Amino acid sequence: DVKVTQSSRYLVKRTGEKVFLECVQDMDHENMFWYRQDPGLGLRLIYFSYDVKMKEKGDIPEGYSVSREKKERFSLILESASTNQTSMYLCASSLGRGISLRELFFGEGSRLTVL
Amino acid sequence: QKEVEQDPGPLSVPEGAIVSLNCTYSNSAFQYFMWYRQYSRKGPELLMYTYSSGNKEDGRFTAQVDKSSKYISLFIRDSQPSDSATYLCAMSATGTASKLTFGTGTRLQVTL
Repeated sequence: DVKVTQSSRYLVKRTGEKVFLECVQDMDHENMFWYRQDPGLGLRLIYFSYDVKMKEKGDIPEGYSVSREKKERFSLILESASTNQTSMYLCASSLGRGISLRELFFGEGSRLTVL
Repeated sequence: QKEVEQDPGPLSVPEGAIVSLNCTYSNSAFQYFMWYRQYSRKGPELLMYTYSSGNKEDGRFTAQVDKSSKYISLFIRDSQPSDSATYLCAMSATGTASKLTFGTGTRLQVTL
């Protein structure tokens, strides 16, 4: 089974802090994604990556950056956390192209609270 | 107006009922249609997908796509308490750069 592991299930940070969310997948998937999930807004794509060292902006990249130095690892960085970044963050991976690109395997999520 | 609209529910049904979950969309370029299921405090998991139009059946689950009406449905027969979850529709156009657009999810509760 594909396993997508997110480093922290729950985090509490203060406004202005730098926050790292780590994600690791163990099935050699090319594609990795970061979403945030908010009530009434659903899942919104922050950034995605089709290959090592490649990154593409999603729908809401402002205030975030990402890093993909190794194929299995995709990190989301909040340079200066703000209260409106309080959310559930979901990492996902997928294999290849076509339907496989869209068959996302999600981690269990990281719930971030910014005070 | 959102590209994908989904009734948030909650939808409460008795065990054994037939459940109908629906999404409408506005982007005529969408060709991939997917349903994800998300249990509480878990990440979503892919339940079913269809490409272009038509129906697809998998056990108790049937996915339907009506592209002329820009409307997709997921039917659950003989619903079970274990089906209690949030169901998310998701869609995308073809092309490697095309991203999934998710609905907001419908919360389903199947009661004994």
